[in-house]
Amino acid sequence: DGGITQSPKYLFRKEGQNVTLSCEQNLNHDAMYWYRQDPGQGLRLIYYSQIVNDFQKGDIAEGYSVSREKKESFPLTVTSAQKNPTAFYLCASSMTRQVGNQPQHFGDGTRLSIL
Amino acid sequence: GNSVTQMEGPVTLSEEAFLTINCTYTATGYPSLFWYVQYPGEGLQLLLKATKADDKGSNKGFEATYRKETTSFHLEKGSVQVSDSAVYFCALTPTGGGNKLTFGTGTQLKVEL
Repeated sequence: DGGITQSPKYLFRKEGQNVTLSCEQNLNHDAMYWYRQDPGQGLRLIYYSQIVNDFQKGDIAEGYSVSREKKESFPLTVTSAQKNPTAFYLCASSMTRQVGNQPQHFGDGTRLSIL
Repeated sequence: GNSVTQMEGPVTLSEEAFLTINCTYTATGYPSLFWYVQYPGEGLQLLLKATKADDKGSNKGFEATYRKETTSFHLEKGSVQVSDSAVYFCALTPTGGGNKLTFGTGTQLKVEL
């Protein structure tokens, strides 16, 4: 089945460590996105990529980095510079070449906690 | 900039009750409007969408009508079930295409027997 796979489902990080969250899609979508969700809040955009080898900062990019070397993959690295990384992270993808707006499809998320 | 405002939750209803979750937006032109649903521990799933004024999106008994005059996209369901318990997010993408979603803060719905 086509979809978006995020791994791992749960991730623990020690202070000062970088961690990388995986996101893979087999929907043949051009665009991919990373969001952060905190309790009682909506989703906030961290980074997005409209095409391979290109990405842009979202609203809260500080302390995060991404790469887009393949169309199917958009890994997110949470660096030690991110002072409050505990959150639920969601990856999404969508078509970009379309008539009218197409919805984003979401993975099941990764919950990151600091030890 | 664009913004979405949703009614605060949690909303608690008895099974078979009528549901309304209010959503209003601020955006120029004619954005596309979406409702997403998030079940516990999962990602978001698209529930319904509307891409132009007066369009009605519908799915699984849920409906929402794009009202340009009141900049609203309220979610309704005539008879809720316990399985509808989830968090519901209203969202928009801007006029003229592009896929950057602006989300509301979400409304938690609890349906009890």
